[in-house]
Formats: sequence, structure tokens, C-alpha cells
Amino acid sequence: DGGITQSPKYLFRKEGQNVTLSCEQNLNHDAMYWYRQDPGQGLRLIYYSQIVNDFQKGDIAEGYSVSREKKESFPLTVTSAQKNPTAFYLCASSTGRRGNYGYTFGSGTRLTVV
Amino acid sequence: RKEVEQDPGPFNVPEGATVAFNCTYSNSASQSFFWYRQDCRKEPKLLMSVYSSGNEDGRFTAQLNRASQYISLLIRDSKLSDSATYLCVVNMGSSGSARQLTFGSGTQLTVLP
Repeated sequence: DGGITQSPKYLFRKEGQNVTLSCEQNLNHDAMYWYRQDPGQGLRLIYYSQIVNDFQKGDIAEGYSVSREKKESFPLTVTSAQKNPTAFYLCASSTGRRGNYGYTFGSGTRLTVV
Repeated sequence: RKEVEQDPGPFNVPEGATVAFNCTYSNSASQSFFWYRQDCRKEPKLLMSVYSSGNEDGRFTAQLNRASQYISLLIRDSKLSDSATYLCVVNMGSSGSARQLTFGSGTQLTVLP
């Protein structure tokens, strides 16, 4: 079955440490996205990518970095510059086809600073 | 003003009740609209797309009023399993292959036995 896989499900980060969240999709979707969700709040866009080797900053890109070396993969690195990284991180993808299509989400990674 | 605005609730309704959620959006050029459902500590999942003519899927009815920039979701005969947060989502446009979806903060529904 096609879908998006995020790993790990839970991640603990020490102060000053960089961590990388994995996102892989086998839906043959062109675009991929990273969102952050804080308790009781909506989703905020961190980065998105329309095509391999290209990505754009979203609303809250500071302290994060991404790469898109393969169509299937869009890893997110949370750097030490991100001062408040504890949150639920969601990866999504969407088809490039014209039409009324939304996103498909992965099951998320819950990051906690310890 | 938020780009997509929803009443956060919570809505607590008895089983079998009918409940309606509303959502307003600020960008009149918005192209497509969705309702997503998010269970506690899970990812959002597409509940239904919203079409200009209105659409129905079983107990769920979605309507769009472009003139008033307003979207609604009606749930009839509520079930305990309908308890979740409902996200109003608006496609503000496209950037190449990427869709610029903007999410409301969600409306929390609890269906009580």
C-alpha cells in the first residue's frame, strides 16, 4: 500500500543537539511538506519542496533545515538554533496533478527536549 | 485576522445529535476547500473535500459559500466515534506542484453517551 512513513515516532533531544526526522513516501507525489503542531494549535508550515533538489521556506523555517535529494525522501533537521523544538512534527505530500486534491500525512514524530 | 478561522469549541453533544461547524477564510482567491479530522495525538486525515454545489457523504454534509467566504460541516446522528478535532483547510493557490494549504486551528468535538 502507498503511504508516507515518518520515523521515529518519538524522539528525545538534548539541549544543543541536532536531530533529523525521516519522511519517506511511495505515492509518487511531487510535493512534500513539513509542518509543526503545538498543543491546542493549528499546523504551521516549516518547509516545502515542489521537486527534487528544490525547497522553499515556510512560515517558521528558522532553526530548521531540509534536503530533497530523492523524490521519495524529505528529511527535516531540527538544529540547535531552534529554541523551542518540543512539538508534534508532521510530514505530508501531495500530487502535482490538477484537481481538488489535499495532502496525505505521515503519522508524525513527537519531539521532546530533555 | 487569521487566514482561516474556526470556533475552537469544545462542542460537547449527546449521541444522536446534529452538530454544525463553521469556518471563514480571508482570501477570496482561494481555490479549494477541505475538512480534515484529527484524532488525539494522531495525524490529520481527509474527511471530505468541499465543492461549490455542496456535497454529502453519509452523515456528513459540507457546504461552501464563496460570496461570504464561509465553509460549514454538518454531522447528523452523531456517534461516539465522531469525537475528534475537525480542521477546516483552504487551498490558497499553487506554487508549481505544491499546494498552499492553510489550516484552521480546529474545532474539538466530544460526543457523549
